Parts: sequence; C-alpha cells; structure tokens
Amino acid sequence: AQKVTQAQTEISVVEKEDVTLDCVYETRDTTYYLFWYKQPPSGELVFLIRRNSFDEQNEISGRYSWNFQKSTSSFNFTITASQVVDSAVYFCALSEASGGSYIPTFGRGTSLIVHP
Amino acid sequence: DSGVTQTPKHLITATGQRVTLRCSPRSGDLSVYWYQQSLDQGLQFLIQYYNGEERAKGNILERFSAQQFPDLHSELNLSSLELGDSALYFCASSVEGSSTDTQYFGPGTRLTVL
Repeated sequence: AQKVTQAQTEISVVEKEDVTLDCVYETRDTTYYLFWYKQPPSGELVFLIRRNSFDEQNEISGRYSWNFQKSTSSFNFTITASQVVDSAVYFCALSEASGGSYIPTFGRGTSLIVHP
Repeated sequence: DSGVTQTPKHLITATGQRVTLRCSPRSGDLSVYWYQQSLDQGLQFLIQYYNGEERAKGNILERFSAQQFPDLHSELNLSSLELGDSALYFCASSVEGSSTDTQYFGPGTRLTVL
C-alpha cells in the first residue's frame, strides 16, 4: 500500500530564511508519481509540481526547488528566501499507475508560517 | 482562479439529511475528481470520472455517490449524513484524467453537519 509521510506538522520561519519541507513515501510500484500542492489560507489547493519515478532530476522554479531521491524514498521541497505569501499548508502526494488512472495518497500536510 | 467552480461554498445541514454538491470543470477538461478534507482523515481521494464514466474509486463511503453528466459537470451526493461527514469537499478537473495530467482544484464546499 502506498503511504506518504510529512513528519513536520508545522514550521515557523522568519522572512528570507530558506526552508525545506520533507516528504517520505512508500510504494511497491516501480512506476509512480509524486506531487506537491499548496493550500493557502484561502483554502484552494494549488498544484505545484509533478515528478514521475523515472525522472530523478532536481527541479527549480524560481524560489522553489525539489529534491527527488529514490534511494531514500524522499521528495523534499525547498523554498529559498521565504516570503510571507508562502505561508500555507503544503501537501505531498503519491500516486501509483493503475490501469491508466491513479488513486493518489496525500500526506497530512506541513503548515508553513512565514513571519515578517 | 483555477477555472473550476463549485457550489455551494458553504452548506449547513442536519444529521440524516441528504445534500448534493456540484462541480463544473475547466473548459475542455474531461475528467473530474472529488476529494474530502477533514481534520481526522486529512485529504482523501473519493472518486474520479472521465467523460461520464467512473474511472477510479478511493475511500468513498457507500452513502456517497457521484456522477458526471453529458455536459461534464459532476455532482457528489451525500446521504444519511453523520457528524463525521463535516468536511471540506474539493472538486478537481484535468484534461484527460491520466496520471500525467495536472489537476486543477475548485475552491471547495464546506459542509457542516449538525
């Protein structure tokens, strides 16, 4: 069974600090997908990134970067020079390829609070 | 604005009642997904439809049902409501419903069962 663990329930930082959100996953499949979503205080879920299991290249998008390591089953998310607008709950998710569709499993989320 | 709309935004009802949540996907998207977010269970996938047909099922209770109509909007029906059904219900849509798709989420419907 697939499982996603976000051990950090809440992280508090001061603006301009770098912060890393951890995500550890479990799966028996060799083909799977990993995601990060952001849920700001407004409540809407915003897709951030998708990574398939065959692509271990790290990705950078502006102040956001993702480190995917199959050896440790981790898909960590780093925000560089955090800003108050980054305050949100961040979810990591895993889906196993199954008959052309997938059923995603979400972690419990990490609440990031960025203080001015 | 993701382009996915959900109505109503808030719903307050009593135990034992039945409610219907509505979702309109982004223009051009064929697949709709329903999720439940609660403090106890976190964010859980309920069900997925693609072009009117059920494609994947998650942790959806038997008291819950959904369907996708020919115009691609979807409805989630919750019946015999219990206090524990109080949650935020999200709808998302994607183009094809495959695992490589990006899902775009609606603003959610907050259901309170008293």
